[in-house]
Amino acid sequence: QVQLVQSGAEMKKPGASVKISCKTSGYTFTAYAIHWVRQAPGQGPEWMGWLHPGNGNTHYSQKFQGRVTITRDTSATTAYMELTNLTSEDRAVYYCAKDYGGHQLEFWGQGTLVTVSS
Amino acid sequence: QSALTQPRSVAGSPGQSVTISCTGTSSDVGAYKYVSWYQHHPGNAPKFLIYHVDKRPSGVPDRFSGSKSGNTASLTISGLQSEDEADYYCCAYAGGYFWVFGGGTKVTVL
Repeated sequence: QVQLVQSGAEMKKPGASVKISCKTSGYTFTAYAIHWVRQAPGQGPEWMGWLHPGNGNTHYSQKFQGRVTITRDTSATTAYMELTNLTSEDRAVYYCAKDYGGHQLEFWGQGTLVTVSS
Repeated sequence: QSALTQPRSVAGSPGQSVTISCTGTSSDVGAYKYVSWYQHHPGNAPKFLIYHVDKRPSGVPDRFSGSKSGNTASLTISGLQSEDEADYYCCAYAGGYFWVFGGGTKVTVL
């Protein structure tokens, strides 16, 4: 079955960077895009960016452009999301999600809590 | 790009039906058939409930149905059950490789 397993919770200081992994299994990794979404406390989800593992193409939300980088390791069927210059506003649960193949997010990872505090 | 607008909460008794609206614009909900819905029990991964406005993935009960009219999509839960108590989010493709989500609706089973 399809699984997306994310790395564990992170605690970072303001100005630092965080890199979260998303290990996938149960499907052909290079055939479907991976999205990254975050959800701050008490708010709805917010789309951050997209990567197609087949060719490495990426698209980012303008809000995060310049601060977010999504990469992949095809041999490890793993996607990564790095967010730099963290502030307290970046405290959220970060999710990866497999694209359905039709511009929709299908299976999601379990989420990774990122806390930013001095 | 603004988030899609959902009611903060809806409630119903077991067996009743509830409908959650998701209002966007002619650039997102109204523009494409790529509207999806997710059920989220806090602490778990969101679950894919509806795609392409009104399609159900394999394994999703037919109590869940989706529709769209203009810039507003809707999710209806018929025959409400206790396990349906959760947060529900809509999501729409807004073109140009950009997606927008709703703020979420908490469904309470009375």
